[in-house]
Amino acid sequence: QSVLTQPPSVSGAPGQRVTLSCTGSSSNIGTGYDVHWYQQLPGTAPKLLIYGDNNRPSGVPDRFSGSKSGTSASLAITGLQAEDEADYYCQSYDSSLIGSVFGGGTKLTVL
Amino acid sequence: EVQLVESGGGLVKPGGSLRLSCAASGFTFSSYNMNWVRQAPGKGLEWVSSIRSSSSHMYYTDSVRGRFIISRDNAKNSLYLQMNSLRAEDTAVYYCARDPSGSYGQTSYFDYWGQGTLVTVSS
Repeated sequence: QSVLTQPPSVSGAPGQRVTLSCTGSSSNIGTGYDVHWYQQLPGTAPKLLIYGDNNRPSGVPDRFSGSKSGTSASLAITGLQAEDEADYYCQSYDSSLIGSVFGGGTKLTVL
Repeated sequence: EVQLVESGGGLVKPGGSLRLSCAASGFTFSSYNMNWVRQAPGKGLEWVSSIRSSSSHMYYTDSVRGRFIISRDNAKNSLYLQMNSLRAEDTAVYYCARDPSGSYGQTSYFDYWGQGTLVTVSS
C-alpha cells in the first residue's frame, strides 16, 4: 500500500465543488514537508497541478487549490467540468525513506 | 520548450537487464535534479530514483536499491537508468521527470514529465 493514503474514488456533478484528501504521517506531511498534486488523464503522463502545498503552475486554472493541515492535505476543485475527470495523485517527501512518496491516487468521476 | 523523451523499454526475461535513457532539451539540464518514476499497469505512481544535478548523490526506493543504477551525462543532456536482475514486479511505464526545486528532499517535486517507456518483465 502507498505511504500517502487517498480515497480510491470521488465523484461530483458539473459545477460542484469536490475535495480530494491525502493523509500521511509524522515522517512526511506531518513534518511539514511540501505536498504536491498531479493530474493524470487516461493514457497520458502526469501533469503538475499544485506545488508547494498551494501554488499553481502557470496555465492551471484557479479552480484548483491546495491546502495542508497536520498530517493531511487536500485538493479542492470548484466549478467541476467534464474535462476534470482524471486520476489525481498527491506527493511529498518522506524522511524515513529518504525519497519521494505518492498517494495511491483518486479517480475523479464527473457525473 | 522543455522536452523529456524516454527510450529503451521493451520485453525482457526475469533476471535480465535493460538500460533506459531520457533525452532532455529546452532547459539547462545540468542545473536540475532528475528522477525516474514508474507506474505499473492499472496502478498508481511510484518514485524509483533521483540523481542530483552534479551526480554527487543518488537515491533509490528500497525495492530497486542494489539492482538499479541511475546516472546522467550532462554533456549529452541525458539521464539513464540501468536496470539489472529484473523481476515481474518491475513491469511498468517508466517516466523521466524534472525536479525544479533546486534541492533534494523536502521541497522536491516534478514539473515536467516524459511520455514514458514501457518495460515488461516476463518469460
